[in-house]
Amino acid sequence: QVQLQESGPGLVKPSETLSLTCIISGGSISNYYWTWIRQPPGKGLEWIGYIYYNGNTNYNPSLKSRVTISLGTSKSHFSLRLSSVTAADTAVYYCARVLGTTPARFDYWGQGTLVTVSS
Amino acid sequence: QSALTQPASVSGSPGQSITISCTGTSSDVGGYNYVSWYQQHPGKAPKLMIYDVSSRPSGVSNRFSGSKSGNTASLTISGLQAEDEADYYCNSYTSSSTVVFGGGTRLTVL
Repeated sequence: QVQLQESGPGLVKPSETLSLTCIISGGSISNYYWTWIRQPPGKGLEWIGYIYYNGNTNYNPSLKSRVTISLGTSKSHFSLRLSSVTAADTAVYYCARVLGTTPARFDYWGQGTLVTVSS
Repeated sequence: QSALTQPASVSGSPGQSITISCTGTSSDVGGYNYVSWYQQHPGKAPKLMIYDVSSRPSGVSNRFSGSKSGNTASLTISGLQAEDEADYYCNSYTSSSTVVFGGGTRLTVL
């Protein structure tokens, strides 16, 4: 059973960079797409971007200039970096695995981690 | 990319059937059979209920079904139960190789 766990600071200052890691257990990073999704408090889901196990990425056009998703060296985690954050980036951030090879089916999710942007 | 359009809320009584729509464009919903649906209970992570328009992951009740016509996909829940009360989100693959979500629909079981 694949399990995902997000980790990182729960509080980030405005204009700084948000950094989160998704730790994968019970499965391999190989042969899958992996994705980040966020949900502002009381609002809907927003797709941030995905990374394939070979390192190929694609991002939400509205966030593309500020987002980097990368693979971990241990092949058991992947990471999200979001630069120049503002209060609008306050959200629960989820990592998820993509089912199959079309990156619009998210079958395993982390529990989510709340990141608050505030000084 | 614009969010897919879902009704803000739907409701139904136990035992009834409800349908939630998800409207996009020919660049997303209408162009690909890659629409998924997720159920989210308060404080929990979303759960995949339907993928590829009408396929159910293992373990998901057959009371949940999906379909698509043109640029609009639909999720139908039959034999409504109290535990179905939740938020539901659709998403779709797009022509830019990105993913777009719907705004979400709150289902109330009366």
